[in-house]
Amino acid sequence: KAGVTQTPRYLIKTRGQQVTLSCSPISGHRSVSWYQQTPGQGLQFLFEYFSETQRNKGNFPGRFSGRQFSNSRSEMNVSTLELGDSALYLCASSPPGRGGQGYNEQFFGPGTRLTVL
Amino acid sequence: AQSVAQPEDQVNVAEGNPLTVKCTYSVSGNPYLFWYVQYPNRGLQFLLKYITGDNLVKGSYGFEAEFNKSQTSFHLKKPSALVSDSALYFCAVRDRKAAGNKLTFGGGTRVLVKP
Repeated sequence: KAGVTQTPRYLIKTRGQQVTLSCSPISGHRSVSWYQQTPGQGLQFLFEYFSETQRNKGNFPGRFSGRQFSNSRSEMNVSTLELGDSALYLCASSPPGRGGQGYNEQFFGPGTRLTVL
Repeated sequence: AQSVAQPEDQVNVAEGNPLTVKCTYSVSGNPYLFWYVQYPNRGLQFLLKYITGDNLVKGSYGFEAEFNKSQTSFHLKKPSALVSDSALYFCAVRDRKAAGNKLTFGGGTRVLVKP
């Protein structure tokens, strides 16, 4: 099976712009989660989508949003970019567990490196 | 709320020596616990998980971890470290009672294995 893919791998934007990142999960995985990784804050959970619905949300401002399509592919959008949004954005997918309980591991993509100038 | 602590920013070990990376956690209920490894410019790779049952969990690449409920710890171990084990290691927790797959990660521990 192909792994989780993320596009683009690298992005350079300027403050005030907006950006859209894309994630294709492993075939059959319906849960997609997004994380932000920075040297200062580490790995922080952004949100999770399951069957096109947001199931969990982290503590990020409303400038960060996401969605999931019927084929489980997901996008996240960041509007009005700030310098502090520079980070590695990781997408992860997970297979369904019995009863929907999340005891399965997540499979991570290589990430999108966003630089805001 | 759930949290994970990895008390060591970096661990240095000689090749062939045992490797231990420490992790303690806090959740309101019972945990699912995970270890991931990250190589430069790569995403996270799953190593092992504790769900239930035997407290000693064996995973990929010769790694194992021991779940200790009384000490709320889940330390990662490898009996004989390789130079190729040099990487960034993350411990993560998920509350069993919580819906979904949200993971809370520790700050990461950089492992440097010297030849």
